[in-house]
Amino acid sequence: NAGVTQTPKFQVLKTGQSMTLQCAQDMNHEYMSWYRQDPGMGLRLIHYSVGAGITDQGEVPNGYNVSRSTTEDFPLRLLSAAPSQTSVYFCASRRQSNEKLFFGSGTQLSVL
Amino acid sequence: ILNVEQSPQSLHVQEGDSTNFTCSFPSSNFYALHWYRWETAKSPEALFVMTLNGDEKKKGRISATLNTKEGYSYLYIKGSQPEDSATYLCAPNQAGTALIFGKGTTLSVSS
Repeated sequence: NAGVTQTPKFQVLKTGQSMTLQCAQDMNHEYMSWYRQDPGMGLRLIHYSVGAGITDQGEVPNGYNVSRSTTEDFPLRLLSAAPSQTSVYFCASRRQSNEKLFFGSGTQLSVL
Repeated sequence: ILNVEQSPQSLHVQEGDSTNFTCSFPSSNFYALHWYRWETAKSPEALFVMTLNGDEKKKGRISATLNTKEGYSYLYIKGSQPEDSATYLCAPNQAGTALIFGKGTTLSVSS
């Protein structure tokens, strides 16, 4: 089982560049979300989706866009990368609201 | 956005010690409470999802309790082992929303 697949695993960007972090799940999960890991802050929610065509902002949405055109995919777009966006990004999904989250393996992003 | 508090922030114990952590959350609109174990350089993995007041869950040496009326959950580890070293995250869940995680409790177990 593939589960939640994130690509790329590592990425280095220059300030001002844009890019898309990919996330795909093959479990037919309705709920998908993006988190970033910051020292001393744990996991902070960026954006989430409760189904295809529905997205909403989390705790730290500024500088990021998302879309959910299919149940399987939930890409995260950095519009104009900033050094403050250097972090490890995790995508996660779950089937229903009261079920556990499955996490991808993470994308380590550095913005110079 | 939910206010989730976890304590202590970090903890260092000796192998064989038993320990416990606390997760506090708003009791209004409660739907479920999640606990995750997060090892360094890995992805978080689910331990428990709890929904009912008074609920108790157990997985090996790790157990958890839930009090939805007062808004807290305890995670217990009995006889800590070095492989229990990790950050333990809790996340309360309101229906139809994403999980908001606490900052976690980082456990270090020395042999």
